[in-house]
Amino acid sequence: AQSVTQLDSHVSVSEGTPVLLRCNYSSSYSPSLFWYVQHPNKGLQLLLKYTSAATLVKGINGFEAEFKKSETSFHLTKPSAHMSDAAEYFCVVRAPPGGGYSTLTFGKGTMLLVSP
Amino acid sequence: GAVVSQHPSRVICKSGTSVKIECRSLDFQATTMFWYRQFPKKSLMLMATSNEGSKATYEQGVEKDKFLINHASLTLSTLTVTSAHPEDSSFYICSARGGTGGDEQYFGPGTRLTVT
Repeated sequence: AQSVTQLDSHVSVSEGTPVLLRCNYSSSYSPSLFWYVQHPNKGLQLLLKYTSAATLVKGINGFEAEFKKSETSFHLTKPSAHMSDAAEYFCVVRAPPGGGYSTLTFGKGTMLLVSP
Repeated sequence: GAVVSQHPSRVICKSGTSVKIECRSLDFQATTMFWYRQFPKKSLMLMATSNEGSKATYEQGVEKDKFLINHASLTLSTLTVTSAHPEDSSFYICSARGGTGGDEQYFGPGTRLTVT
């Protein structure tokens, strides 16, 4: 079984300040982990993914995340927020490839609010 | 590459009628497609998984007779909401996974269904 917990339902930052969106996971296997972003009434866009290679993963739009097995965490960060970053962010865990349908399990999402 | 489209993007229907949502993989063959439902300010909930040419596998609690899924070709899956009720109003998102060995899911832009 696998699960993912996003620790904050909302995060508010000022433009130009760092962003930290927290995610903890639980998995019986070595998981693959993803961060997706969803702008209002839009589909999901993949920001980055971890698949057992480098623990520090760089994604699009300046985002990165670090896989910490000892802490079962996969927090998303960005050094400097931009107004266009305001959106809903989902942390997602996936069972290892080959395990049937490789079902994705979504966190409940964190709404990032960016103020001028 | 790896583009998934959905049609329509928005649909309004009257209670008791049926509505069909299409999900297409535009530039790859999708052996597996997934249908998700997203309630307002909530995470994505997997409804069903379908493989081309076979019956869909529904998640617990999802009525298979109400949410009919057809995956007739490697590039098209349809979700038909039968005898729609206002509580079926939601954002429906599909994703597709390719058959080339890759395990990545690519998401469509979603369909906003409103039942009046």
